[in-house]
Amino acid sequence: NAGVTQTPKFRVLKTGQSMTLLCAQDMNHEYMYWYRQDPGMGLRLIHYSVGEGTTAKGEVPDGYNVSRLKKQNFLLGLESAAPSQTSVYFCASSYSTTTGELFFGEGSRLTVL
Amino acid sequence: AQSVAQPEDQVNVAEGNPLTVKCTYSVSGNPYLFWYVQYPNRGLQFLLKYITGDNLVKGSYGFEAEFNKSQTSFHLKKPSALVSDSALYFCAVRSNTNAGKSTFGDGTTLTVKP
Repeated sequence: NAGVTQTPKFRVLKTGQSMTLLCAQDMNHEYMYWYRQDPGMGLRLIHYSVGEGTTAKGEVPDGYNVSRLKKQNFLLGLESAAPSQTSVYFCASSYSTTTGELFFGEGSRLTVL
Repeated sequence: AQSVAQPEDQVNVAEGNPLTVKCTYSVSGNPYLFWYVQYPNRGLQFLLKYITGDNLVKGSYGFEAEFNKSQTSFHLKKPSALVSDSALYFCAVRSNTNAGKSTFGDGTTLTVKP
């Protein structure tokens, strides 16, 4: 099983450019999440989705947008990238909002110059 | 609001010795606690979880964790460390009152020396 797949794995952007990160899961999970990981700061939730067609803001949503048009896909968009968005981004999915563990992708490393 | 504290940035142990990685939490409602491990340039992998029942839970690769409600702690343990256990470990909490959002600690780097 592929599990959770993120594309691209690496990307370099210039300030002001836009891009979209794609997350795909093949486990039929309802719940999907986008996190960013910065050194010494753990993982911080950007946006999440509790089902197809629904999205909600997490802890650090500013500068990001998301869409969940299909149950298996969760897209994270940066409309106008800033150096502060240089980070490693992780997508995760789960079968439960409480007792289920998260299944993570391998991460997407984004550098904004 | 919910939060997780991992008081040690780094834990160093010798191979064969027991290891403990500490985690305390704060949450409204029932806590659901998780440990994840991250190897360099990889995503996080689930190790174990406490949902209800026995306070001692066993997980992957010989790890276990003890839930202590009075001390709001969920420390990760292993009786005999391996060099291959060296990685970054994250504690996380969910609850039934926070719409399924997981809150992570800042992580603890475990180094096991031969």
